[in-house]
Amino acid sequence: GQNIDQPTEMTATEGAIVQINCTYQTSGFNGLFWYQQHAGEAPTFLSYNVLDGLEEKGRFSSFLSRSKGYSYLLLKELQMKDSASYLCAAMDSNYQLIWGAGTKLIIKP
Amino acid sequence: GAVVSQHPSRVICKSGTSVKIECRSLDFQATTMFWYRQFPKQSLMLMATSNEGSKATYEQGVEKDKFLINHASLTLSTLTVTSAHPEDSSFYICSARDAVREPNQPQHFGDGTRLSIL
Repeated sequence: GQNIDQPTEMTATEGAIVQINCTYQTSGFNGLFWYQQHAGEAPTFLSYNVLDGLEEKGRFSSFLSRSKGYSYLLLKELQMKDSASYLCAAMDSNYQLIWGAGTKLIIKP
Repeated sequence: GAVVSQHPSRVICKSGTSVKIECRSLDFQATTMFWYRQFPKQSLMLMATSNEGSKATYEQGVEKDKFLINHASLTLSTLTVTSAHPEDSSFYICSARDAVREPNQPQHFGDGTRLSIL
């Protein structure tokens, strides 16, 4: 079956770095997406990886290892506004997104 | 960037009312639109996938006669919650993508509709 695993909740300190891991099993693979969702709002797109390696976008970076079925989202210089849920989603061979349950990130001062 | 508009943003109505939610892609052709439901503190749950001009594909456990989906054009899909009851109260979110020309590009989400049935 198809499955996405990511931690339920993480806590980090303002100004620090946090890494949110995601492992996936899908029928075929057409890329890995990360979305940010603040409470009561719709998800917003953060990153997309289809090749192995690290993609950097400002304070956020995303890494993919296709052989390991593994990705992570790295957030640097954490700010209070980064408190949100982070959703990992893998795209299968039919271009359908398989969603993880999301990781709630709590930032403390 | 691609924009998806969802309307209304909030609905409060009495039990038994039917509610229609619209999802529009503003600057691209959305050959595929997705309807999600999200209960408080839970993850997104895909309800159905609709392709322009064809019947929607519903996920297991989602009643197609209860949640009517119409995707009549490349820029508009509607979800109608028929005879809504309090247990239908939830956050409904649509997303869209151009599955034909950009199949592996991200889905773009609307702002969501918070439905409260009294």
